[in-house]
Formats: sequence, structure tokens, C-alpha cells
Amino acid sequence: AQTVTQSQPEMSVQEAETVTLSCTYDTSENNYYLFWYKQPPSRQMILVIRQEAYKQQNATENRFSVNFQKAAKSFSLKISDSQLGDTAMYFCARLGNTGFQKLVFGTGTRLLVSP
Amino acid sequence: SQTIHQWPATLVQPVGSPLSLECTVEGTSNPNLYWYRQAAGRGLQLLFYSVGIGQISSEVPQNLSASRPQDRQFILSSKKLLLSDSGFYLCAWKTGGNEKLFFGSGTQLSVL
Repeated sequence: AQTVTQSQPEMSVQEAETVTLSCTYDTSENNYYLFWYKQPPSRQMILVIRQEAYKQQNATENRFSVNFQKAAKSFSLKISDSQLGDTAMYFCARLGNTGFQKLVFGTGTRLLVSP
Repeated sequence: SQTIHQWPATLVQPVGSPLSLECTVEGTSNPNLYWYRQAAGRGLQLLFYSVGIGQISSEVPQNLSASRPQDRQFILSSKKLLLSDSGFYLCAWKTGGNEKLFFGSGTQLSVL
């Protein structure tokens, strides 16, 4: 099975600090997509950032950036200048590029931002 | 613009009762459709996906079934609910040429 692993069930960070969430994945494909989704208490799934595997440049979206290490199959999310509104569950996910495209999720990391 | 509607938002059902959750997408045609389930404190598990009307693929054997009677309608059903069917159910869609999945607001199902 092609899996996505998030080894940190919970993380805490103080407001304005930086935090990094880890994710590793397994795939036999050369081209695929990686995502970080945020699920706040409302439970709405919100796309935070995405990375195309064939692009070496790490994706960045304002305070959110990724460290994509293709050879190591690692895809971590860095949140800079953390805000109270960043408190949420964060899910790493992988979308294959062959056959039917299924989005496979990790088990999530609960992030708590404290004042 | 495209939108996805999912209802009901919450549902409490007794064990052994039937289930029907509905999801519709507006503003696009021939989307790929997905049903995910999120157990308490866990990640999302893909249950079913569909590439077209009447075409359903199941990821895990279970007490649930899915149907796609219209291009932009996706229904999750059960004839007799089990306690283990409790969870948060999310519908999602994407177009064939776009890698982004868009999610509905979810249904919290409690089977008692």
C-alpha cells in the first residue's frame, strides 16, 4: 500500500514562533502531487499548500512553506510567525498521477498555537 | 464558480436504520467524486470514488454503498447502520485535469 505517515500526533508552538510538521510518504511513481490540508474546529478541509513532485523548488504560500526532499520521500510544512488561527489539525496527503487519482492522507498532526 | 453541497450536517441514527447522505456539485461537469470517512481523532479514509455516472469503485469492504445517479450527484447509503459506521463523512470532487480536491462541509453521523 502506498502510505502517508505523520509521526507527530500533536505539536505546540507559541504565537509568532516557527513550527515544522513532518510527513513522509511511500510511492512508486516518479510524478505525483503532495498537499497539506488544514482542518480547523469547523472541520472544513482547507488546502494550505501543494507541491508538484517534478518541481525541485519548494512551494511557498505566505507564512507557509514546505521542505520537499524527493529522494527521502519527505514533505514537511513550516509555519512561520504562527498565529492563534493556525490552531487546527494538519493533514499531509499524496495524489498519484497514474490510473485513477486518489488522494491518500496521513493521520494528521494536531497543532496548538498558544498566546 | 464551482461549489459543493453536502447534507445533512449532522445525523443521529439508531443501529439497524438505513442511511442516505447526499452530495452535489455545481459549476462543473464530469467531476471525479469521492466519499471519505474520518473516525474520531484520525485521518481520512477513502471509501468510494467515481469517474462517471453509474461508475463506483470501493476502497474498503464495509456496510456502506455509493451511487452516482447523475453526473454531479453522489450518494452514500446503508441498508442497516452499525455502531462502527459513526464518523465524519466528507464528500469531495476534482476535475480530471486538475489535481486539487475540493471538500464539502461534512456530515457528522452518530449511530446509537
